[in-house]
Amino acid sequence: DGGITQSPKYLFRKEGQNVTLSCEQNLNHDAMYWYRQDPGQGLRLIYYSQIVNDFQKGDIAEGYSVSREKKESFPLTVTSAQKNPTAFYLCASSKGSGGAWNEQFFGPGTRLTVL
Amino acid sequence: GIQVEQSPPDLILQEGANSTLRCNFSDSVNNLQWFHQNPWGQLINLFYIPSGTKQNGRLSATTVATERYSLLYISSSQTTDSGVYFCAVSEGAQKLVFGQGTRLTINP
Repeated sequence: DGGITQSPKYLFRKEGQNVTLSCEQNLNHDAMYWYRQDPGQGLRLIYYSQIVNDFQKGDIAEGYSVSREKKESFPLTVTSAQKNPTAFYLCASSKGSGGAWNEQFFGPGTRLTVL
Repeated sequence: GIQVEQSPPDLILQEGANSTLRCNFSDSVNNLQWFHQNPWGQLINLFYIPSGTKQNGRLSATTVATERYSLLYISSSQTTDSGVYFCAVSEGAQKLVFGQGTRLTINP
């Protein structure tokens, strides 16, 4: 089955620790994205990547880092510099730019809680 | 940057009723998507509709790009339609800008 997988589903972190969230897709999509959702809010873009080995900051990139070494994978690291990391994190992908190829599809999400 | 406003913020209906959700955006867009977020947080794609009208079963959507709004229609609502509906747009770069959502509750 084609789709986007995220792991883990739930993650608990102590203050001061870095954690990495996994996102994998087998849709052969070029573009991948990370969004953050806080309770009762819409999603906000953290980072996105249009091609392997290239990525751009979104609106709220401070305290986060990413890599894109493979087309299928786009891991997100939440660093200790992120002041308020407790949130729901969603990964998305799209075929690429242009017309209907812009349509984004989302994974099931990871709920991160800082203890 | 582009602004997205959704209305109403909350909507409570009885099963079988029809509903209309609205999305206003502040600038020209090249991507507009409607999503349904289920109770487990999964975002389900409903429509990719930067312009025109589409229908899928009991759901339909219309985007009037020149007037910068989109409407999502749900007919004969079912309890499984409950959840949060998001409109999201992009204006050039691929990032989506989301509205705050409409929380729909369908009572049996």
